[in-house]
Amino acid sequence: GAGVSQSPRYKVAKRGQDVALRCDPISGHVSLFWYQQALGQGPEFLTYFQNEAQLDKSGLPSDRFFAERPEGSVSTLKIQRTQQEDSAVYLCASSPRTSGGKTQYFGPGTRLLVL
Amino acid sequence: DAKTTQPPSMDCAEGRAANLPCNHSTISGNEYVYWYRQIHSQGPQYIIHGLKNNETNEMASLIITEDRKSSTLILPHATLRDTAVYYCIVRVAQDDYKLSFGAGTTVTVRA
Repeated sequence: GAGVSQSPRYKVAKRGQDVALRCDPISGHVSLFWYQQALGQGPEFLTYFQNEAQLDKSGLPSDRFFAERPEGSVSTLKIQRTQQEDSAVYLCASSPRTSGGKTQYFGPGTRLLVL
Repeated sequence: DAKTTQPPSMDCAEGRAANLPCNHSTISGNEYVYWYRQIHSQGPQYIIHGLKNNETNEMASLIITEDRKSSTLILPHATLRDTAVYYCIVRVAQDDYKLSFGAGTTVTVRA
């Protein structure tokens, strides 16, 4: 069946530009997560949604980062006024249960390069 | 502060068993040990998890010491497709939603 999909797969942005990254979770999955993965490091938690409610945004690095999931399915991670330190792979994951459950299913990620 | 310690890298021969160690000396009684792996250019993939008993599934086996301070992930017959970064993660209960990955172990399977 279809897994988690993310688009675009690659994004090059000029410093100061706004970007929007999309995540399509597995159909029917209640929970959705965003992670940031810097080069050579493990993924780090950014934010968590249960349906349309953003229950935890403690990992968002600054107020330039904003995530939404208005209808409880597709989610968008928006980064305003991008900086070079925002360059990373942004991973989306979904889970069928109301929290992490046994496992999170990850998408392939969006690789963002800020020049 | 890292909850787990893993070697940064290891090699293994194709067809042989790969034994991946993880130390989690401060693990609490209600914390599970999870293993994920991340193949190059892909998102992490769940492998297996356990509380205190040894576990086996179609991908791997998980051996947890009696004192639960360490564990070993065993890939019984490593293939080239098992080359990946392997993450050992400790998390509270099965409903704790955050995954804290750490740096993991880069496993290279050689022909």
